[in-house]
Parts: sequence; structure tokens; C-alpha cells
Amino acid sequence: GAVVSQHPSWVICKSGTSVKIECRSLDFQATTMFWYRQFPKQSLMLMATSNEGSKATYEQGVEKDKFLINHASLTLSTLTVTSAHPEDSSFYICSARPGGEPQHFGDGTRLSIL
Amino acid sequence: GQQLNQSPQSMFIQEGEDVSMNCTSSSIFNTWLWYKQDPGEGPVLLIALYKAGELTSNGRLTAQFGITRKDSFLNISASIPSDVGIYFCAGRGTGNQFYFGTGTSLTVIP
Repeated sequence: GAVVSQHPSWVICKSGTSVKIECRSLDFQATTMFWYRQFPKQSLMLMATSNEGSKATYEQGVEKDKFLINHASLTLSTLTVTSAHPEDSSFYICSARPGGEPQHFGDGTRLSIL
Repeated sequence: GQQLNQSPQSMFIQEGEDVSMNCTSSSIFNTWLWYKQDPGEGPVLLIALYKAGELTSNGRLTAQFGITRKDSFLNISASIPSDVGIYFCAGRGTGNQFYFGTGTSLTVIP
């Protein structure tokens, strides 16, 4: 089946650091990928829709200058959390839709900011 | 972003019991999905529904796309310990994005 790979799976860094998270579709091309954020014991909140070759579409309340999204190829989208602070600590998950199928998720990235 | 109402929030059941959960939206959806998420992992798709009234099964799981297109239901029959996890519904309207329910945490007591 369709596989979405996310890297890294866990990152711990100091406050003020910028962190890049990669989302790859391994066996299909994805013109659109989605980035979600999940706090402990809560649901997934859609942050933005990543569009290959064009600007991402951000959900209301999500700072686009804080969460930079680049979808440079049909198999890779990156989310960069700029100047991360402890309140940015969360579980970030990407997803992609192979063709007309429902979206498949990566295994998530646990971000801890000290 | 939009969030769907999912109930119950949590369930504690005996092994072998059946489970029912539902998801409601204030707006009409064209697609409903049900996912299961284990701790520290991404959600895994269980069932996809594309038509109002559709009833689809996947093993012991059965899900239905509500007639009003504003709700969906998931049933698990004869629960087993490995059913433990958090179950999420997700819905999509006319746009490309899916929005998630608040989740149902399931605990199965052996």
C-alpha cells in the first residue's frame, strides 16, 4: 500500500532553533500533502495544505512565517518550525493522498523544545 | 481549523463486548474516514466512506455514512485487547482538506 515516510521521528533542541521536518511519499506522487499538529490526548489539527510548486495554504490561526512549508517535488514536503519555543513542542504529522485514495499518514515527528 | 464532534470521548469495555462511536459535523461532508492511532504513531486508515447511507465493513469493524451527510458511525464487534487505541473520524467537504474528530479513546479490559 501507499507509504508516507516522515523524518526525523523525534527531535529535541534548544529554544530559538529552527527545525526542519521532512515528509516523503515513497511509492506514489503527491501534488498535495497536509501537515497536522497534535497535542497529547487531543485530536489532529490541520495546520496547512502543501501544494507542489506553489505556496502552501494555511489554516486560520496558523502563522505562515513561523511554520514554513516547502513542497519542492512531487514526493517531498518540508515543514520548518522557525525559532522554535517550548510552546511549539508537539507531535507533527504529515499526510498525502495517493491518487483518489484516502490520505495516508506518516508516523509523525515528536518535537521537544527545551 | 474545523473540528468534528466525536463521542464518546472514552470507553472502557470488557473483552468480547461490542463498541459504538459516532461523529457529527455542522456541515455536509462528501467523504468520511475512520482512523486508529496508537501512541507515538501516525493514524492508520480503517474504513473509507464515499456515499450517503453507505455501510462498509473491514473485519470486525463496520462504519456507516449518515443519510444527512453530517454524521458517521463506527462499530467494533467482539472487541479484543489489540483494539485498544484512539479512534478518529475525519471528514471532507467540497475542499481538499480533511478535518478530524475529537477522538474516542478505547480501553479493552481482558
